[in-house]
Amino acid sequence: SQTIHQWPATLVQPVGSPLSLECTVEGTSNPNLYWYRQAAGRGLQLLFYSVGIGQISSEVPQNLSASRPQDRQFILSSKKLLLSDSGFYLCAWSWASGLYNEQFFGPGTRLTVL
Amino acid sequence: KQEVTQIPAALSVPEGENLVLNCSFTDSAIYNLQWFRQDPGKGLTSLLLIQSSQREQTSGRLNASLDKSSGRSTLYIAASQPGDSATYLCAVGGGSQGNLIFGKGTKLSVKP
Repeated sequence: SQTIHQWPATLVQPVGSPLSLECTVEGTSNPNLYWYRQAAGRGLQLLFYSVGIGQISSEVPQNLSASRPQDRQFILSSKKLLLSDSGFYLCAWSWASGLYNEQFFGPGTRLTVL
Repeated sequence: KQEVTQIPAALSVPEGENLVLNCSFTDSAIYNLQWFRQDPGKGLTSLLLIQSSQREQTSGRLNASLDKSSGRSTLYIAASQPGDSATYLCAVGGGSQGNLIFGKGTKLSVKP
C-alpha cells in the first residue's frame, strides 16, 4: 500500500528565516506530486506540481520554491519567510498514468510565521 | 477561471439524520470531482472520486452524484453519526496537470 509522509508536523519561524518542508511517498514509483496551501478563511490553493524528478511547475507567483531531488521526495522551500506564508501546507500524490487520477493527501505541516 | 462553491458553509444536525452537502462549479469542462473529509488540524481523506463520465459513486453510507451540465455535485450522508463531524471539501479536476480546484468546505457537526 502507499503512504505519504510530511515533516515537520508544526513549525514556528520568524519573518525572514529560511524554510524547508519535506514530503515523501512510499509504495509507488514516479507519482505526480503536489504542494497545496490552506490559509485561514481561504480554500486550498495549488502551489506547485511535479510529474518527474527535476520537473516543477508553479501555479502562482510567490515567495516559495519547490524541488524534487528524488522520485518520491518533494521539498518546499523559502529563502526568507513572510508573514503571509503562514498556513497549513499539504502534499499530495496521484498515479502518473493519466492526469486526472484520485489524489491522496499527507497529514500536513502547520507553519506559523511570527 | 473555474470557481467551486460549497453551500452551506456550516451545518448542524442531530444524530441519525440523512443529509445532503452541495457543491457547484462554474466551468462544466471538468475531468473528475473528488470529495474529501478533513478533521481539525489534519490532512485530507479522500471519500469518493467521480469521473466526468459517471453520474454517481457510492461508498458505505456515502453517495456522491455529479451533474456536469448544471455544474453541480451532491454528497449524501445516510444515518449521520457523531463521528461524521468534520469539514467536507469538494474539488474538481481540470487544471493543466491534473491539479484540483477546491471549494471552501462545509463544516458538519452531528449532535448525539
